[in-house]
Amino acid sequence: DTGVSQNPRHKITKRGQNVTFRCDPISEHNRLYWYRQTLGQGPEFLTYFQNEAQLEKSRLLSDRFSAERPKGSFSTLEIQRTEQGDSAMYLCASSLKGPGSYNEQFFGPGTRLTVL
Amino acid sequence: AQSVAQPEDQVNVAEGNPLTVKCTYSVSGNPYLFWYVQYPNRGLQFLLKYITGDNLVKGSYGFEAEFNKSQTSFHLKKPSALVSDSALYFCAVRVPVGDNFNKFYFGSGTKLNVKP
Repeated sequence: DTGVSQNPRHKITKRGQNVTFRCDPISEHNRLYWYRQTLGQGPEFLTYFQNEAQLEKSRLLSDRFSAERPKGSFSTLEIQRTEQGDSAMYLCASSLKGPGSYNEQFFGPGTRLTVL
Repeated sequence: AQSVAQPEDQVNVAEGNPLTVKCTYSVSGNPYLFWYVQYPNRGLQFLLKYITGDNLVKGSYGFEAEFNKSQTSFHLKKPSALVSDSALYFCAVRVPVGDNFNKFYFGSGTKLNVKP
């Protein structure tokens, strides 16, 4: 399968612990996005990478959140000192910037985080 | 402010009947509009997009959508619904931010229930 993959699919943690999620985009895609989705809502943008550069970051992303894409391929999203309000589905998407590309995003299956 | 509205939380339709899922948007400039579908515990799957040209666009699984600039709408339609179409549907609009980044705004989603 050459789609976007995310690991783990589910994560249960205790409040105050740190968690890290991984996203592997479609191999030729140079853009990578992280979203958060809570029950009954659409995805909310968190951050965006073009290659290895983090070009945009939402105000939703507090100082406890950090994302990296060190080699312009896979990305990690870390949440430090988790809070119960961080419980959500974290979605990763990738797209290709190029001639004729209209930035259609391809989504991974998501990582569901539950903070107890 | 940029926004996408899906006025119906849920749409119920009998199998074989036509279906419509509504979406309206508020953005500056010319929008690029998208529909995605989400099945339980799965990521979002791309259905179709409007970039320019013909107001009626056709997508995957027999879905189509009609772009109406005067009404700022992009309703999703299908002539004959299937039980397997039951899922959560999201409308999204792409808004350019600067030269290098396109931000996607998603609606809150509409749950489609197709009954046999």
